[in-house]
Amino acid sequence: EPEVTQTPSHQVTQMGQEVILRCVPISNHLYFYWYRQILGQKVEFLVSFYNNEISEKSEIFDDQFSVERPDGSNFTLKIRSTKLEDSAMYFCASSEWDREMNTEAFFGQGTRLTVV
Amino acid sequence: RKEVEQDPGPFNVPEGATVAFNCTYSNSASQSFFWYRQDCRKEPKLLMSVYSSGNEDGRFTAQLNRASQYISLLIRDSKLSDSATYLCVVRDTGRRALTFGSGTRLQVQP
Repeated sequence: EPEVTQTPSHQVTQMGQEVILRCVPISNHLYFYWYRQILGQKVEFLVSFYNNEISEKSEIFDDQFSVERPDGSNFTLKIRSTKLEDSAMYFCASSEWDREMNTEAFFGQGTRLTVV
Repeated sequence: RKEVEQDPGPFNVPEGATVAFNCTYSNSASQSFFWYRQDCRKEPKLLMSVYSSGNEDGRFTAQLNRASQYISLLIRDSKLSDSATYLCVVRDTGRRALTFGSGTRLQVQP
């Protein structure tokens, strides 16, 4: 079964450092997403990406965050200068194109980011 | 203002029990509704979509009441493997972003 893969599974970084979280979406999917989940809290939407540009973003996704699809397979989330409150599980997801927007979003296993 | 609200639980039930979870959502423009399941420290996985007429998938039944902005999930004949957190998820009209509830934790006991 095709799956979304994320690397690394756990990243520890010092406050103020830049981190890049990597994702390989399912190959025939056209929509890509990043979500985060702070420990003990709900899953929160960060950004969606389609046709090489951001299609939607939340208020969490400020100037410290950026996304990129550097090649035909990878989708990355960059946090420019990490803060303690960026510590969370970051989930990448992807979905097929669907006019009715009803298709399932498949989630990767997540990258646990710990900022110290 | 909570956009998707769920009882956090935990619901502790014996094997074989029937258990029901409820969820309310605040945006009347919400278009699509889902139940996801999340195991501890794992990714959310789609359990089932929720359709206006209600739908069933084996032991799981989902209902939607648009007038009351209310979604439910019924699990019959609970198994130990059903122990997880159940996430109520909505998607608003014209958006692809999913809005998650905080989840209801279910613990099925032998």
